[in-house]
Amino acid sequence: EVQLVESGGGLVQPGGSLRLSCAASGFTSSNYAMHWVRQAPGKGLEWVSRVSESGDITHYADSVKGRFTISRDNSKNTLSLQMNSLRAEDTAVYYCAKVGLPGGYNWFDPWGQGTLVTVSS
Amino acid sequence: EVVMTQSPATLSVSPGERATLSCRASQSVNNNLAWYQQKPGQSPRLLISGASTRATGIPARFSGSGSGTEFTLTISSLQSEDFAVYYCQQHNHWPLTFGGGTKVEIK
Repeated sequence: EVQLVESGGGLVQPGGSLRLSCAASGFTSSNYAMHWVRQAPGKGLEWVSRVSESGDITHYADSVKGRFTISRDNSKNTLSLQMNSLRAEDTAVYYCAKVGLPGGYNWFDPWGQGTLVTVSS
Repeated sequence: EVVMTQSPATLSVSPGERATLSCRASQSVNNNLAWYQQKPGQSPRLLISGASTRATGIPARFSGSGSGTEFTLTISSLQSEDFAVYYCQQHNHWPLTFGGGTKVEIK
C-alpha cells in the first residue's frame, strides 16, 4: 500500500523558516515525480512545487518562488520542502502527493494526511 | 496562468439524484484534467484522471467528460458518502492550477 506521511509543521513567526518532510513507502519513489500542495484554512487547493523523479528538475508556484526549496532523497524515500521568509499567507495544511503515473502526468494520487503550518507572531 | 472555474459553488442534491458539476479552463488543457473529492478533515482523493478515466476503486456512478476548456463530473445517483467538496485540476500548463471547488450538500 502506498503511504505518504508528512511531518515538520508547526507555529512559526513571520520571516521564519520551517522544513517539512514526507516519508514515502509502498512504491519505488525514484520512479515518480512528487509534489507539495497546500490548503489555507477553509479555502481551496493551491499547488506549491514539484520535483522530478531524480530530483534535478523543480517547479514552483510564483507565490513561493525564491523562498521555498523542494528536494528529495531517493535513498531514504523522503521528500522535503524548505520554507524560508515565511508569511502569514503561507499558513495552510501542506500535503505531499505522488503523481499518478510515471512520466509527465502531473495529477496526484495519493495524497498524504497533511501537516499544518501556522505563520503568526 | 490557466484559471479553472468551477460551477456551481454549492449544489444541493437529494440522495439518489444525479449531480452535474462543471469545470471551465481559461484556455485549452486538452484532456489533462483531474477531479478530486475531499471530505471534511480528510485529504483529497483522486476520482478521475485524463478527463474521463476513473481511478482505482472509484465507483462507476462517477464519470467525467469533456476536453479542451469544458469539463463535467457526473455522479449518477448520489449516495450519502458522496456529499463532499469536489475540485478539478489541470496539468497541461505550468503552474498547475485547481478550480475553487464545488460543495455537494444534502438537499
